[in-house]
Amino acid sequence: AQSVTQPDIHITVSEGASLELRCNYSYGATPYLFWYVQSPGQGLQLLLKYFSGDTLVQGIKGFEAEFKRSQSSFNLRKPSVHWSDAAEYFCAEGDYNNNDMRFGAGTRLTVKP
Amino acid sequence: DAGVIQSPRHEVTEMGQEVTLRCKPISGHDYLFWYRQTMMRGLELLIYFNNNVPIDDSGMPEDRFSAKMPNASFSTLKIQPSEPRDSAVYFCASSFSGASDTQYFGPGTRLTVL
Repeated sequence: AQSVTQPDIHITVSEGASLELRCNYSYGATPYLFWYVQSPGQGLQLLLKYFSGDTLVQGIKGFEAEFKRSQSSFNLRKPSVHWSDAAEYFCAEGDYNNNDMRFGAGTRLTVKP
Repeated sequence: DAGVIQSPRHEVTEMGQEVTLRCKPISGHDYLFWYRQTMMRGLELLIYFNNNVPIDDSGMPEDRFSAKMPNASFSTLKIQPSEPRDSAVYFCASSFSGASDTQYFGPGTRLTVL
């Protein structure tokens, strides 16, 4: 069964510092990969997605993610974190063949002033 | 489009009472999903519909939970009778082309069962 692993439950970074959130997916025949962000009291919002093509994808709010098939990873990055980026981040994998979607457990990001 | 709309935003009820959560998906989206989010279990898919038909309800925890989608613009999730362990945030989401596609989430309903 496919699964998504986010190894870091909680990460703290200083404002202005770079950020990388890790995500590992289980192999799917045609993996569709997503990063969502959830601000406190809000629903999940799509940051970016990868279906095919260029393995480096750009998203909203200055985020990017790189798909690495050899490592089964889809890590989220941002070069300079803003205080407003404090939120919970979810990685998700969709399997088009099975019409299924799995979310990771989430990584909570705290931004220090 | 206003996005996915959920009501109520907050619900406080007593154990044993019936609770009904409501969702209006984005117009034109053929798929609708109900999720539950708790600290202990994270985000769990409860059930999803395609063209108003329930496709996968394997995530529905027990018979106390039921979901309906009488038309393309409305769905309900009902808990009867409610229990304190049902306390959670319930999200509705919709997508255009499937469970593996981008899902658009509503703001959620925070349910507290006393």
